[in-house]
Amino acid sequence: DGGITQSPKYLFRKEGQNVTLSCEQNLNHDAMYWYRQDPGQGLRLIYYSQIVNDFQKGDIAEGYSVSREKKESFPLTVTSAQKNPTAFYLCASSGQGGTYNEQFFGPGTRLTVL
Amino acid sequence: GIQVEQSPPDLILQEGANSTLRCNFSDSVNNLQWFHQNPWGQLINLFYIPSGTKQNGRLSATTVATERYSLLYISSSQTTDSGVYFCAVEVGFNKFYFGSGTKLNVKP
Repeated sequence: DGGITQSPKYLFRKEGQNVTLSCEQNLNHDAMYWYRQDPGQGLRLIYYSQIVNDFQKGDIAEGYSVSREKKESFPLTVTSAQKNPTAFYLCASSGQGGTYNEQFFGPGTRLTVL
Repeated sequence: GIQVEQSPPDLILQEGANSTLRCNFSDSVNNLQWFHQNPWGQLINLFYIPSGTKQNGRLSATTVATERYSLLYISSSQTTDSGVYFCAVEVGFNKFYFGSGTKLNVKP
């Protein structure tokens, strides 16, 4: 079954701890993305990667880090420097070739800082 | 950066009614998508529509790129249509911006 998986579905973290959110895709897409969604708001871009071993900051990258060592995987680390990390995190991928660049999303991870 | 504005922010419909959701954007874009976010948070692709008109069942969408807006039409609404509808635009390559969404509540 082709798609995007995210784990865990729910994550609880104590203040001062780093946590890593997993995102895997088997769609053979080149580009992958991380977004943050706060209650009642739209999605905001944290980081995106157009190709393996390369990534760019989005509008709200402070307090987050990523890596792209494999085409299929784009993990997001929420560091202790992120001042308000409680949110819904969504991963996406795209890249069907040429200018056709439709994004597809995973089911998301809900992070709560206790 | 680009501004993406959706209207109305909230919409309540009686089952069977029709509606039009609007997405305005402040600059030229490469691509535009419409999504439906269900109550569990999953984003479901509705349309990939950088320009022109597309239809899928009771839903259709039109993007007029030269005038910087897109419309999503929902006909004969059903309770399962409830949720939040987002438009997203691509600026440059692989950089996407989302509107703040239209929250739709369809009552039986």
